Amino acid sequence: QITLKESGPTLVKPTQTLTLTCTFSGFSLSTSGVGVGWIRQPPGKALEWLALIYWNDDKRYSPSLKSRLTITKDTSKNQVVLTMTNMDPVDTATYYCAHSPPTVTTNWFDPWGQGTLVTVSS
Amino acid sequence: QSVLTQPPSVSGAPGQRVTISCTGSSSNIGAGYDVHWYQQLPGTAPKLLIYGNSNRPSGVPDRFSGSKSGTSASLAITGLQAEDEADYYCQSYDSSLSGLEVFGGGTKLTVL
Repeated sequence: QITLKESGPTLVKPTQTLTLTCTFSGFSLSTSGVGVGWIRQPPGKALEWLALIYWNDDKRYSPSLKSRLTITKDTSKNQVVLTMTNMDPVDTATYYCAHSPPTVTTNWFDPWGQGTLVTVSS
Repeated sequence: QSVLTQPPSVSGAPGQRVTISCTGSSSNIGAGYDVHWYQQLPGTAPKLLIYGNSNRPSGVPDRFSGSKSGTSASLAITGLQAEDEADYYCQSYDSSLSGLEVFGGGTKLTVL
């Protein structure tokens, strides 16, 4: 059974850097084709994909947020870390991490973590 | 504004059939990239409903089905049940600068 759980601060101040950790079990991020993605959802709004890291350390970022995002993995700890710099109140959202299985076509996310709400406010 | 366009809301009575559309363009769905669908029940994380346009993960009832044609995709739900009331999102890949993995704006399904 695959599970993921997000952790990190619930409140950050504007201009600060957000660091979120996704701790997972039930799969290995050293298995060929596997990835872990981050997706966020502002309150009452739609899902927005942020970043994806693959088993081979290939990294993909949302073009609109690329300059602010960094995704890394620690395979030995079964963790993926997302950092987002220069936080703004519009970045207030629930942040999800999700498993991306090996695929020969496009990526999908299954399952997802429970999400963590991050509020940006002074 | 999402790269993939979904109707904000749809509704149906119990037992009825509803469809949710997901309209893209030549840089995503129209380019042949697969479409995936998620169900988000109130207050919970999204759950994969359909992957690869029309494939159901284990445990998803066959009341849910997906299809794709041209630059659009659709999710159909038959035999509507009260428990189906949720938000539904489509997702695909986009080869333009709009994004790589892209989601639709979501559709709220109300069971009357």
